[in-house]
Amino acid sequence: EAGVAQSPRYKIIEKRQSVAFWCNPISGHATLYWYQQILGQGPKLLIQFQNNGVVDDSQLPKDRFSAERLKGVDSTLKIQPAKLEDSAVYLCASSRDRDYNEQFFGPGTRLTVL
Amino acid sequence: QQQVKQSPQSLIVQKGGIPIINCAYENTAFDYFPWYQQFPGKGPALLIAIRPDVSEKKEGRFTISFNKSAKQFSLHIMDSQPGDSATYFCAASGKSGGYQKVTFGIGTKLQVIP
Repeated sequence: EAGVAQSPRYKIIEKRQSVAFWCNPISGHATLYWYQQILGQGPKLLIQFQNNGVVDDSQLPKDRFSAERLKGVDSTLKIQPAKLEDSAVYLCASSRDRDYNEQFFGPGTRLTVL
Repeated sequence: QQQVKQSPQSLIVQKGGIPIINCAYENTAFDYFPWYQQFPGKGPALLIAIRPDVSEKKEGRFTISFNKSAKQFSLHIMDSQPGDSATYFCAASGKSGGYQKVTFGIGTKLQVIP
């Protein structure tokens, strides 16, 4: 079974630029999560999708962050414009369903904002 | 508000030692307590998990001890090996708004020296 795929693995941008991250979850997994992991901290949930609908985006800075999951499979997370404090690893995870506890994480995208 | 408090933030043990990582939670609605292991450059991976109806769970060299009345749980790694060197995250999960929501601790960076 293929794991969660993410790209790119690394990205360096200037502040105020825009950036997008892509995630392909495990086949058949209905629930998809985007987390932000700042160095030295645990993952913080940004947004959770159930199929192609949003079930929780309470911690997503909506003035600059957006995410979509078209067709209930792949997902993209966008930051526009980026700030210095957005430097972090962005993790995508998936689980079979929203009632299923185990989450499978991708390798993450390390974003550096200069 | 930090709902899951984890300590210590870093830990160094010699090979064969038994590192212990502690976590405490506040929300009594949590009903699933996983531990994730994260190696550098990788996403977190589920290591072991426990539900509050049991006080201990063992899987190989890894043991979770759970104290429901104190709202605390801990991870013990028996006969630790250099390959166990990683960052360990405790987490707590519970139903919120009709779906499982996971909150992570800050993480403990473990180094096992030969």
